[in-house]
Amino acid sequence: KAGVTQTPRYLIKTRGQQVTLSCSPISGHRSVSWYQQTPGQGLQFLFEYFSETQRNKGNFPGRFSGRQFSNSRSEMNVSTLELGDSALYLCASSGLAGGGDTQYFGPGTRLTVL
Amino acid sequence: GQSLEQPSEVTAVEGAIVQINCTYQTSGFYGLSWYQQHDGGAPTFLSYNGLDGLEETGRFSSFLSRSDSYGYLLLQELQMKDSASYFCAVRDFNQGGKLIFGQGTELSVKP
Repeated sequence: KAGVTQTPRYLIKTRGQQVTLSCSPISGHRSVSWYQQTPGQGLQFLFEYFSETQRNKGNFPGRFSGRQFSNSRSEMNVSTLELGDSALYLCASSGLAGGGDTQYFGPGTRLTVL
Repeated sequence: GQSLEQPSEVTAVEGAIVQINCTYQTSGFYGLSWYQQHDGGAPTFLSYNGLDGLEETGRFSSFLSRSDSYGYLLLQELQMKDSASYFCAVRDFNQGGKLIFGQGTELSVKP
């Protein structure tokens, strides 16, 4: 099976702009979770979707949003970008609701905000 | 709330054994997982302990003691390719099942 794919892999934006990141899970997986990874904060949970429904949300401001489509692909959007949003954004898929404990991660999208 | 603590870095030599500890405080614990991440790569799943005891997968073993809120990852016969960051993670069902990660332990394997 193909792994989790994320696009784009790299992105440079300026403060105030918005960005949309995409994630395609492993075929057959219905759960997609998003994480933000920074050197100082480690892996921080953003949200989880299962069958197009948001099941869980982390402690991030409302500028961070996401959605999942009927084919399980997911997008996350960050509006009004701030310098502190520079990070590696990882998505992970699982075949189980609640994410299961085996999460398969994509390569990530590295976002740089200037 | 929840928190996980693990050492920030560990150094060992090829062929040695290293243990990476993880202590957690969570009000709704449901199992401890370990992930490996090489520099610039994606985290990959290593092991999961849902019950107390030792789980072995090749050179890697993971242990959990729920009464002590403690677990560890044991890496044997270290190889240079084991140099990576290792994260423990717990699923907190009092927070809707979020998977919470520790800050990661950077393992450096020296020749």
